[in-house]
Amino acid sequence: KQEVTQIPAALSVPEGENLVLNCSFTDSAIYNLQWFRQDPGKGLTSLLLIQSSQREQTSGRLNASLDKSSGRSTLYIAASQPGDSATYLCAVRTGGYNKLIFGAGTRLAVHP
Amino acid sequence: DAGVTQSPTHLIKTRGQHVTLRCSPISGHKSVSWYQQVLGQGPQFIFQYYEKEERGRGNFPDRFSARQFPNYSSELNVNALLLGDSALYLCASSPGAGLPEAFFGQGTRLTVV
Repeated sequence: KQEVTQIPAALSVPEGENLVLNCSFTDSAIYNLQWFRQDPGKGLTSLLLIQSSQREQTSGRLNASLDKSSGRSTLYIAASQPGDSATYLCAVRTGGYNKLIFGAGTRLAVHP
Repeated sequence: DAGVTQSPTHLIKTRGQHVTLRCSPISGHKSVSWYQQVLGQGPQFIFQYYEKEERGRGNFPDRFSARQFPNYSSELNVNALLLGDSALYLCASSPGAGLPEAFFGQGTRLTVV
């Protein structure tokens, strides 16, 4: 059974810091991995999608890497800003249909 | 282009009642999936529909059902509501049944009292 774990559960950093959020999964047979952002009480905003054949994806200040063999992904946020404060979720897709298995998320607070 | 739209945004129901949640996917998207997110946890997969057919079902009781209409919009129905059904219900759309990127709506916050 696929399980997704995110560490740390919560993180508080001063503005301007570079930070890394971690995601691990137990079954390396994934099709792709997707990182999302969720503001309190809101829906999910897709940040990055990495296919199983890719090693990393970049969008602006965000960079996500994937090491399928070790069951790990990292989300790197450069020069963090207070507006980055949110919960970050990673999810893997393992089946032939569009079922995502999510971690519990990392709650990030960036303070001025 | 409009994103994924869900209605209503908030809902309060009493134990034992029935509820219907609605979702309109992004224009051109044919696949809709439903997720339940309990406070403090990641979303849990409930159903996927593609071309009006159920393509996947998560580990939820038969009180949960769904359907997809010819215009690709979808409804999630929950019967005999329990306190534990209180959650944020999320709808995701994607272009096909395969493995593309999923786009989520803002969710429906259901509170069962």
